[in-house]
Amino acid sequence: DGGITQSPKYLFRKEGQNVTLSCEQNLNHDAMYWYRQDPGQGLRLIYYSQIVNDFQKGDIAEGYSVSREKKESFPLTVTSAQKNPTAFYLCASSIVGGSSYNEQFFGPGTRLTVL
Amino acid sequence: AQSVTQLDSHVSVSEGTPVLLRCNYSSSYSPSLFWYVQHPNKGLQLLLKYTSAATLVKGINGFEAEFKKSETSFHLTKPSAHMSDAAEYFCVVSDQVDSNYQLIWGAGTKLIIKP
Repeated sequence: DGGITQSPKYLFRKEGQNVTLSCEQNLNHDAMYWYRQDPGQGLRLIYYSQIVNDFQKGDIAEGYSVSREKKESFPLTVTSAQKNPTAFYLCASSIVGGSSYNEQFFGPGTRLTVL
Repeated sequence: AQSVTQLDSHVSVSEGTPVLLRCNYSSSYSPSLFWYVQHPNKGLQLLLKYTSAATLVKGINGFEAEFKKSETSFHLTKPSAHMSDAAEYFCVVSDQVDSNYQLIWGAGTKLIIKP
């Protein structure tokens, strides 16, 4: 089955620690995205990547970092510089092209809690 | 820049009655619009999308939405609610950023189904 996997499902972090969230896709999509979801708000874009070894900041990139060494993988690191990291994190992927309506496919999410 | 407003944070209906979830958008050109659904602690699934081919768009699970340019609206409807429809629904507009398209998310509407 093609899809997107995220791990872990739940993650707990102590103050001052960096943590890395995994995202893998086998849809052969070029583009991958990381979103943050907080209660009562829509999704906010953290980072996105359209091609291997290249990525761009989204609206709320401060305190986060990413890498794109492989087409299938787009890990997100939440650093200690992120002041309020407790949230639900969603990874997505899509094809890249001229159409304005390329569907994004989502993983099941990782819930991060800072203790 | 595009924006999207979901007019209700919560909507409560009885099982078997119609559902209406309201969405308004702002756009300087003909937009692409989507509705996504998120069940509790899960990722997101595309319900339907407007691609300018037809103003009435049919989606999965009996949902449909009508694009009304004069009212800048894209409301989601279903004739008869089912308990399994209880979820959060997001209205989304596609915005062009450089050579790529990004999704602008509404804040979400939580649909509650009463037995």
